[in-house]
Amino acid sequence: QKEVEQNSGPLSVPEGAIASLNCTYSDRVSQSFFWYRQYSGKSPELIMSIYSNGDKEDGRFTAQLNKASQYVSLLIRDSQPSDSATYLCAVDNNAGNMLTFGGGTRLMVKP
Amino acid sequence: DAGVIQSPRHEVTEMGQEVTLRCKPISGHNSLFWYRQTMMRGLELLIYFNNNVPIDDSGMPEDRFSAKMPNASFSTLKIQPSEPRDSAVYFCASRQQGALGAFFGQGTRLTVV
Repeated sequence: QKEVEQNSGPLSVPEGAIASLNCTYSDRVSQSFFWYRQYSGKSPELIMSIYSNGDKEDGRFTAQLNKASQYVSLLIRDSQPSDSATYLCAVDNNAGNMLTFGGGTRLMVKP
Repeated sequence: DAGVIQSPRHEVTEMGQEVTLRCKPISGHNSLFWYRQTMMRGLELLIYFNNNVPIDDSGMPEDRFSAKMPNASFSTLKIQPSEPRDSAVYFCASRQQGALGAFFGQGTRLTVV
């Protein structure tokens, strides 16, 4: 079992809809969680971080964390075609500042 | 700060040649990571350093790969000899201890023919 798991997709949503991206992790001691966006041919870009249970909102993005269920999600409201990218979940397992990445979910927002 | 700087951006080399990838982390960041990304395997951690010391190199595929960090502002990833299966995008990322996530460089696209 991988340490951080994501559905590879593609997840296809119409423009204006809510896109929901999910991630599960196996290490219960994980404390910090991050979402990265990667456009085709580009490097991963940090877009959200969350450290405590609950929701964290930043513009159209909301990160949700449930440590009991070992689950973290990213919601994108009013999805735009420019949101089409691969979204990577990353987890800090407190093992020497290392981040473990999931395989990423490809999101396609159709006009 | 200019962010994480990697060079070269693109490298095409012949099988058997030595390849050296370079990385300058963000000033003040004390962790540096080397990742490899392919369509088949996604983003793989090769090795990471804390305070210039290699902490985990279990992701380095074989002895042909080596990485160094002689000081806080420079790291290299060397492949010798290179093989076609090493073709991938290699990313360097840096992070400040205990804060935020890691920040990635633009990557080096390596093609071994």
